[in-house]
Amino acid sequence: NAGVTQTPKFQVLKTGQSMTLQCAQDMNHEYMSWYRQDPGMGLRLIHYSVGAGITDQGEVPNGYNVSRSTTEDFPLRLLSAAPSQTSVYFCASSYSIRQPQHFGDGTRLSIL
Amino acid sequence: GENVEQHPSTLSVQEGDSAVIKCTYSDSASNYFPWYKQELGKRPQLIIDIRSNVGEKKDQRIAVTLNKTAKHFSLHITETQPEDSAVYFCARGGGNKLTFGTGTQLKVEL
Repeated sequence: NAGVTQTPKFQVLKTGQSMTLQCAQDMNHEYMSWYRQDPGMGLRLIHYSVGAGITDQGEVPNGYNVSRSTTEDFPLRLLSAAPSQTSVYFCASSYSIRQPQHFGDGTRLSIL
Repeated sequence: GENVEQHPSTLSVQEGDSAVIKCTYSDSASNYFPWYKQELGKRPQLIIDIRSNVGEKKDQRIAVTLNKTAKHFSLHITETQPEDSAVYFCARGGGNKLTFGTGTQLKVEL
């Protein structure tokens, strides 16, 4: 099993550009989530999904969109990139919120 | 609300000593408390978790304690080793959200 796969691993964008961070899992997990990690601020929840077709906002959703058309995939879209979105982004999946979260390797995103 | 406060932000111990990291929360609906370890440049990985119906849980050198009345929980690492050096994050789960603390950089010195 591949676990949680995130692509790309690194990305540099210019302010105003849009892009999609991909996340896929092969464990048949219902719960998927996106976090951003900034120095000294831990992991902050952006959006999450409890199953296909269901998404909801986390702590810091502004500037990001998500969709969940299948159980396996949970892409994160940056609508108009801003320097404040420079961060490391982690996708995670699990059977439920009260089960171990399986993290991907992260995407390191820089916005110039 | 759903915030988690974690202390200390950095912790330095001698090899073989114990390390304790504490977290507090305010949301009474919190019922799941995991701890994650993150090595430099790597993904966070679960090391231990506890649910609200349990007061303490141990796994070899690692233990977690939960005080629901005071709304705090702690990670205890005994007989620390150099490979324990990493950033440790506490988290609380309630509803459908997992909220993380800001992390503790643990350094185990030889």
